[in-house]
Amino acid sequence: DVKVTQSSRYLVKRTGEKVFLECVQDMDHENMFWYRQDPGLGLRLIYFSYDVKMKEKGDIPEGYSVSREKKERFSLILESASTNQTSMYLCASSLLGGSRPAFFGQGTRLTVV
Amino acid sequence: QQQVKQSPQSLIVQKGGISIINCAYENTAFDYFPWYQQFPGKGPALLIAIRPDVSEKKEGRFTISFNKSAKQFSLHIMDSQPGDSATYFCAASRREGNTGKLIFGQGTTLQVKP
Repeated sequence: DVKVTQSSRYLVKRTGEKVFLECVQDMDHENMFWYRQDPGLGLRLIYFSYDVKMKEKGDIPEGYSVSREKKERFSLILESASTNQTSMYLCASSLLGGSRPAFFGQGTRLTVV
Repeated sequence: QQQVKQSPQSLIVQKGGISIINCAYENTAFDYFPWYQQFPGKGPALLIAIRPDVSEKKEGRFTISFNKSAKQFSLHIMDSQPGDSATYFCAASRREGNTGKLIFGQGTTLQVKP
């Protein structure tokens, strides 16, 4: 079974803090994604990566950056956390190419106070 | 053109009834249409998926119906059970370069009453 593991289930951070969300997958997938889930808005893509050190912006990249130094690990960075970044963050991975299912982690519920 | 529109936002069905969730898309380049199921506190999990060369796909009580000309697809849950209560997301993707990013609908919260 594909396993995508996010480092934290719940996080509470203060406004202005730098926040790191970590994700690891064990199936040698080329693609990794960070989504944000908010009620009524579905899942919105923040950033994705299709190879080590490669990244592309998704639909809502403002206020976020990412890092992929190893194939199995994809980090989401909130440079200066703000209250409007309070959300559920979901990491996913998939094989390279279109028409592939994505496998999700359990999510990180981030609260910025 | 990148959007996938999902309806209804919420749905209440009696046990044993049929749950129907609809999605519509604009981009005719989409060639993969999965449905994901998410239980509270969990990440979404792939439920069933279809490609545009078939009009229907069935797996157990779950069926996807696909209408290519109308650019619509729907999930039918037959004999709905309380254990099906979850949030359901439709999605679409296309062969965009070497990536496989999924575009998601807004989600439908299904409650199946016993």
